[in-house]
Amino acid sequence: AQSVTQLDSQVPVFEEAPVELRCNYSSSVSVYLFWYVQYPNQGLQLLLKYLSGSTLVKSINGFEAEFNKSQTSFHLRKPSVHISDTAEYFCAVSYNNAGNMLTFGGGTRLMVKP
Amino acid sequence: GAVVSQHPSRVICKSGTSVKIECRSLDFQATTMFWYRQFPKQSLMLMATSNEGSKATYEQGVEKDKFLINHASLTLSTLTVTSAHPEDSSFYICSAQGAYEQYFGPGTRLTVT
Repeated sequence: AQSVTQLDSQVPVFEEAPVELRCNYSSSVSVYLFWYVQYPNQGLQLLLKYLSGSTLVKSINGFEAEFNKSQTSFHLRKPSVHISDTAEYFCAVSYNNAGNMLTFGGGTRLMVKP
Repeated sequence: GAVVSQHPSRVICKSGTSVKIECRSLDFQATTMFWYRQFPKQSLMLMATSNEGSKATYEQGVEKDKFLINHASLTLSTLTVTSAHPEDSSFYICSAQGAYEQYFGPGTRLTVT
């Protein structure tokens, strides 16, 4: 069985400040890791994913996440946030690289303040 | 990326009635679709896996007779909430399995009065 823990339910931060959203997972097998973003009253959009290769993965809008196998973590970071980054962020794991059978974390609400 | 639509986006129904929610993959065929339920300020909980042409696989604790799933074509899956009650009020999200990831619909907010 696999599980995902997002330690922070809410993260308030000022605009242009850096942010880190934490994600830890547990699994008895190799996993593939995903970050999704959900804007209010919308579905989820894939932000980035780690399947293999370089442990640092990046999205097109400035977010990045690093897979740390020894610490079983996949924290999401952005060096400078914008108001438009305000959303709910979900970390998820899957035991296959097609991204099905996802197990989601509880979510972290990022609130960017002016 | 691939587009998945849901209809309706919002629905209000009276207790005891049934509601059907449609999930469509607009520009690709999806053998497998998923239905999730999301309570306010909580994560997504997988309800069932819908496979085209076969019976859906329900997660533990999900009543298959209450949440009827039909996946009659490679681009359409439907979720029918039968005899809805106020506790069924929630945000329902579907996703369609692509080659390398799931593509999520925008969700349907169901309110049962």
